[in-house]
Amino acid sequence: LAKTTQPISMDSYEGQEVNITCSHNNIATNDYITWYQQFPSQGPRFIIQGYKTKVTNEVASLFIPADRKSSTLSLPRVSLSDTAVYYCLVGGGPSNNDMRFGAGTRLTVKP
Amino acid sequence: GAVVSQHPSRVICKSGTSVKIECRSLDFQATTMFWYRQFPKQSLMLMATSNEGSKATYEQGVEKDKFLINHASLTLSTLTVTSAHPEDSSFYICSAARGVGETQYFGPGTRLLVL
Repeated sequence: LAKTTQPISMDSYEGQEVNITCSHNNIATNDYITWYQQFPSQGPRFIIQGYKTKVTNEVASLFIPADRKSSTLSLPRVSLSDTAVYYCLVGGGPSNNDMRFGAGTRLTVKP
Repeated sequence: GAVVSQHPSRVICKSGTSVKIECRSLDFQATTMFWYRQFPKQSLMLMATSNEGSKATYEQGVEKDKFLINHASLTLSTLTVTSAHPEDSSFYICSAARGVGETQYFGPGTRLLVL
C-alpha cells in the first residue's frame, strides 16, 4: 500500500497559484493518483485524478513526473473559498480498492 | 454527476442505543461502498469496504459486531452503530464507487454524538 507524504499546511493569498506536492515513493504500477478537497464538517470532494503526465480540468491541474513518485496539484488563482484540507490518495485502478487517506495539507488563503 | 447522500446529517443518542446511518448513491449504481470515521482535526480513517450483495471487509481494529454494515442494493448501504458509547461520537462519512478500484465519491457525512 503506497504511503503519501504532503506538507501539513500552506498559506497563500487570493489570486495566487498554489502548488501542493505529494510524495508517494512506493506507488505501484496500477495505482492512480487522486486528489480530494475537504471543508470542515463536510465529506471530501473529488478534485482530479491522473495516472501519468498532466491532467487538467475546470478547477485544477495535476502534474505527474515520469517516475510517478510524486505528484503536484495546481490550483490557479485561489480565492478565500479554496481554504480547505487537500488530500492526495494513491491506489485504485483495476480490481484494487486499496486507498488510504494521509494527513492532508491544510491550505489557508488570505485576503 | 456522482452524488452521494447520507441520512441523517446529525444524530444525538443516549449511551447504549443503536444508530443507523444510510448512504445512498443518487445518480449512479455503486458496486462498492466505503465507510470512514473522522475525529476532529484528524484525517479520515477507513472502517470497512462493502461490495453489493456480499459481506463487508473490516479494517483491523474495527469491531464488525459493533459496526454493522449492510450493502443490500446498488444504491444503498447502511452502517449501524450498535450499543453506542460516548467514544463512538465522531463524524461518519461514506463513499461510493461504480466499481472496484474506481473513483470514490463521498457523502456529506453524519455527525454522531453519544451522550
